[in-house]
Amino acid sequence: QVTLKESGPALVKPTQTLTLTCTFSGFSLTTSGMRVSWIRQPPGKALEWLARIDWDDDKFYSTSLKTRLTISKDTSRNQVVLTMTNMDPVDTATYYCARIQAMSDAFDMWGQGTMVTVSS
Amino acid sequence: DIQMTQSPSSLSASVGDRVTITCRASQSIRSYLNWYQQKPGKAPELLIYAASNLQSGVPSRFSGSGSGADFTLTISSLQPEDCATYYCQQSYNAPYSFGQGTKLEIK
Repeated sequence: QVTLKESGPALVKPTQTLTLTCTFSGFSLTTSGMRVSWIRQPPGKALEWLARIDWDDDKFYSTSLKTRLTISKDTSRNQVVLTMTNMDPVDTATYYCARIQAMSDAFDMWGQGTMVTVSS
Repeated sequence: DIQMTQSPSSLSASVGDRVTITCRASQSIRSYLNWYQQKPGKAPELLIYAASNLQSGVPSRFSGSGSGADFTLTISSLQPEDCATYYCQQSYNAPYSFGQGTKLEIK
């Protein structure tokens, strides 16, 4: 059974750095073809893709956010970590991690999401 | 970056209706198009992958079609539990992108 769960602070102040952790089970990021992404959704708005990390440590980022994002993995702990620097109130959103299906690159399994509010 | 445009942004239909949502990419994405359903307060769920493949466990009233830049999600006979927001997403290349969503309401 594949599960993913996001964790991190519910509240951050403007200019701070956000660190989110995705802890997963039921698959391994050491397996060829495995990938995990982060996606976010501001309240009442659409989904926005943020970043992807692959089994071979390739990394991809949103064009508009790439200067602020870093994605990494800890395969021994089955975790993917996303950091976002210089947080702003517009970054208030629910942040999801999702597994990527090998052949189609679709997000076939999602975490429940974690809500992050940026406010002083 | 590839832009995804969905239409309509919202629609209202009756139980039993046939419903169609369209998605257009800003360039050809071959068949790298996926559809998700999101209910309020929940994470999105994959419905259709690679334009026309039904994800395991998804009811057969859902279907997808298209290739290149134009795609369609069809619900053949709308059910009350289909009230949700639907998103298309291109997985042709990273950075990935989503459509703006289509909110489906039941009359």
